[in-house]
Amino acid sequence: VQLVESGGGLIQPGGSLRLSCGASGFSVNSNYMSWVRQAPGKGLEWVSVIYSGGSTYYAEAVRGRFTISRDNSETTVHLQMTSLRAEDTAIYYCATANPGDAYNSLFFDNWGQGTLVTVSP
Amino acid sequence: SYVLTQPPSVSVAPGQTARITCGGNNIGTKSVHWYQQKPGQAPVLVVYDDSDRPSGIPERFSGSNSGNTATLTITRVEAGDEADYYCQVWDDRSDIVTFGGGTKLTVL
Repeated sequence: VQLVESGGGLIQPGGSLRLSCGASGFSVNSNYMSWVRQAPGKGLEWVSVIYSGGSTYYAEAVRGRFTISRDNSETTVHLQMTSLRAEDTAIYYCATANPGDAYNSLFFDNWGQGTLVTVSP
Repeated sequence: SYVLTQPPSVSVAPGQTARITCGGNNIGTKSVHWYQQKPGQAPVLVVYDDSDRPSGIPERFSGSNSGNTATLTITRVEAGDEADYYCQVWDDRSDIVTFGGGTKLTVL
């Protein structure tokens, strides 16, 4: 399993950016996939998840501005980000989300190396 | 929203045992997962479902969860264990994931 993020960069406030996560060794359509971000010097913050059935969920901080999706190739997950703000500046990690065997369980067992998004004038 | 509270830092001498706590309301009713993150690297899962270890993670890493506190225990601490550690839970009613604020483990 390998995950490689791309699409990060410098963007002005109010702008849009699309991140991509290329997966090898498995189909993203058959797995739960998630985005997690980390602002400079800060902790981990969950952003979004897409389940194998296609349902999507978002953190309150990005709901209505970010959209997670998969493409028909079954190898790529995207994060479309709009109305970007300075506080969205972070490294964005793509990860596989595993429902595990226990009750009420979802954890991230494979991570990419991340792509940096900087929102600044 | 659900809040997970971790101590900002924990220090331990090599060879000793480090315990990192993660507090949350009735966290014992949830499955807790732990990640290790070294500087400049992506997080790595070290414990899932309270106390299970992924393949490749040393037995020195273990977890427990009861009441309002989950704990990651690292025995026979080594210099290479120095890192930030994060706890994480998922709420199946809201489909929201929560991370703790992270604990920096320093090996003296």
